[in-house]
Amino acid sequence: NAGVTQTPKFRVLKTGQSMTLLCAQDMNHEYMYWYRQDPGMGLRLIHYSVGEGTTAKGEVPDGYNVSRLKKQNFLLGLESAAPSQTSVYFCASTPPPGGQPQHFGDGTRLSIL
Amino acid sequence: LAKTTQPISMDSYEGQEVNITCSHNNIATNDYITWYQQFPSQGPRFIIQGYKTKVTNEVASLFIPADRKSSTLSLPRVSLSDTAVYYCLVGDKSPMIKAAGNKLTFGGGTRVLVKP
Repeated sequence: NAGVTQTPKFRVLKTGQSMTLLCAQDMNHEYMYWYRQDPGMGLRLIHYSVGEGTTAKGEVPDGYNVSRLKKQNFLLGLESAAPSQTSVYFCASTPPPGGQPQHFGDGTRLSIL
Repeated sequence: LAKTTQPISMDSYEGQEVNITCSHNNIATNDYITWYQQFPSQGPRFIIQGYKTKVTNEVASLFIPADRKSSTLSLPRVSLSDTAVYYCLVGDKSPMIKAAGNKLTFGGGTRVLVKP
């Protein structure tokens, strides 16, 4: 039982490059979330999805886009990476009806030079 | 959205009980209190959730007074492997995440260091 799987685990980008982070869950969860965590801080919600084909903005959505084409996958895109987006990114999911508790992946550590 | 306040850090020793108190003065009627644990290089892991009074599972206990303006996570007989950051969250257990923003906010957490 894999739970929530994030790929890649590490990545280094140059400013202006684009990339997509993949989150996959095998628990048939409806709700999925993308967070970022910066040193010494808690998690901040970037975007979330309440079901296949739907997405919504969280607390810090600027500079990111998301897609939920399949129920099990939630993609986070950076179109033009900036050093301020250097962070650890966590994906989470919850079963119906959503909310808490959330099941988290082990994160993607992203560095932008 | 209820804001939470918890100590930045706590030190303890193996075998002791650790109690972490979280303040949430503006908790709403529909809000539940949830605690997560996070180890370095890992995602947060659900520990316990409660609405009122006391909840206990195999890992921890959660004490919530009648006014629900605070809660205390109790970790019995900690070991070195309990060294982690512990987050207190307050929010709806059920859905209806509003379009205006997130319903769940992770604060800075409490860094617990268990010493031998």
